[in-house]
Amino acid sequence: DTEVTQTPKHLVMGMTNKKSLKCEQHMGHRAMYWYKQKAKKPPELMFVYSYEKLSINESVPSRFSPECPNSSLLNLHLHALQPEDSALYLCASSQDRGSSHGYTFGSGTRLTVV
Amino acid sequence: SQKIEQNSEALNIQEGKTATLTCNYTNYSPAYLQWYRQDPGRGPVFLLLIRENEKEKRKERLKVTFDTTLKQSLFHITASQPADSATYLCALVPTSGTYKYIFGTGTRLKVLA
Repeated sequence: DTEVTQTPKHLVMGMTNKKSLKCEQHMGHRAMYWYKQKAKKPPELMFVYSYEKLSINESVPSRFSPECPNSSLLNLHLHALQPEDSALYLCASSQDRGSSHGYTFGSGTRLTVV
Repeated sequence: SQKIEQNSEALNIQEGKTATLTCNYTNYSPAYLQWYRQDPGRGPVFLLLIRENEKEKRKERLKVTFDTTLKQSLFHITASQPADSATYLCALVPTSGTYKYIFGTGTRLKVLA
């Protein structure tokens, strides 16, 4: 299995809702990442997990809460989002945090906040 | 400030020609630089990596060069095909030890049949 699987593919949520994005990989990668991408912009790093521990938080608002239950799973919990949080949320993984083999990205979750 | 710029937001070329995309950076000393392809609504796909001590890397119809003096990487697609149409992103890893990939602004390539 050489894929990163993200669910759901699309999500519409209200500003008072709580939802979660899920990411899964079975490549034995020990680093996992969340990126946010707005239309026609490059991906922006949000969080980095290395060996299931949070190692980088790019000053992301607390309404985004990451969780890494085990080495294969990464979640992003969403609460009280704003319309400007609408974007493509990408999960990625790599062999380790300093891997020179590139990231494997999922197809993303298209999030719309209404 | 630290920046990565890809000089063309969009590039149109004729099928069969060589597409050349540019990635320029300032205020970094990258350990290595990578190129990704991204199709609309999809995640980026890793294509090639080049290290700071390498001048050139090839993979099938793809070639990447890296000039640390000019602070520039060039990405070439030879014998381009309409299926090569996509956005291409460069990403670098600074030598600062944070291992944060920093993505360039991207170039939308369209290969015309």
